[in-house]
Amino acid sequence: DAGITQSPRHKVTETGTPVTLRCHQTENHRYMYWYRQDPGHGLRLIHYSYGVKDTDKGEVSDGYSVSRSKTEDFLLTLESATSSQTSVYFCAIRTGTDLYEQYFGPGTRLTVT
Amino acid sequence: GNSVTQMEGPVTLSEEAFLTINCTYTATGYPSLFWYVQYPGEGLQLLLKATKADDKGSNKGFEATYRKETTSFHLEKGSVQVSDSAVYFCALGLIQGAQKLVFGQGTRLTINP
Repeated sequence: DAGITQSPRHKVTETGTPVTLRCHQTENHRYMYWYRQDPGHGLRLIHYSYGVKDTDKGEVSDGYSVSRSKTEDFLLTLESATSSQTSVYFCAIRTGTDLYEQYFGPGTRLTVT
Repeated sequence: GNSVTQMEGPVTLSEEAFLTINCTYTATGYPSLFWYVQYPGEGLQLLLKATKADDKGSNKGFEATYRKETTSFHLEKGSVQVSDSAVYFCALGLIQGAQKLVFGQGTRLTINP
């Protein structure tokens, strides 16, 4: 168990409001990732982080920003939520010695009305 | 570009049936290949992996062989159980940009007793 939690687990918000999702890990892993999961698309990378204050964009980063001020926390912010951002959001951390092995959190289901 | 294509779901089988879920990929270079599994209400878990051509990954009775000549990584199990019901994702790992994973769209598997 890599000790990764996400909060909130469920959220309903209105179009145009800001939303922040939190990913927390307990084992000081360097790499953290945010994905969204949508039917027919699998998981798509939004942003990732390779250290404190070091972040980069993934393939679907428009409309999202991230911050990592501490090793253990990686925040995903929707500055002005839109209905197209209704999705399930997963945080992941890179664990172990394998370059690509990622451990996923339980997910946050976000609904934008 | 880099992409993963999985067989369309959903797939429904009877207990003890033989399972194959097809996965093919397009990638530059020599990616690592993965199968992840998502049980209802949970995040993704790594099921098995292969890091080079002709490697066979195996776990929990599931197997997949990295076939470079056919760019495939098909998932197989000889005798499925009801507890195998889940969504299965094929993914490739890229060295570019902090070891990203590229996922297929997922295949939902239901096993009936």
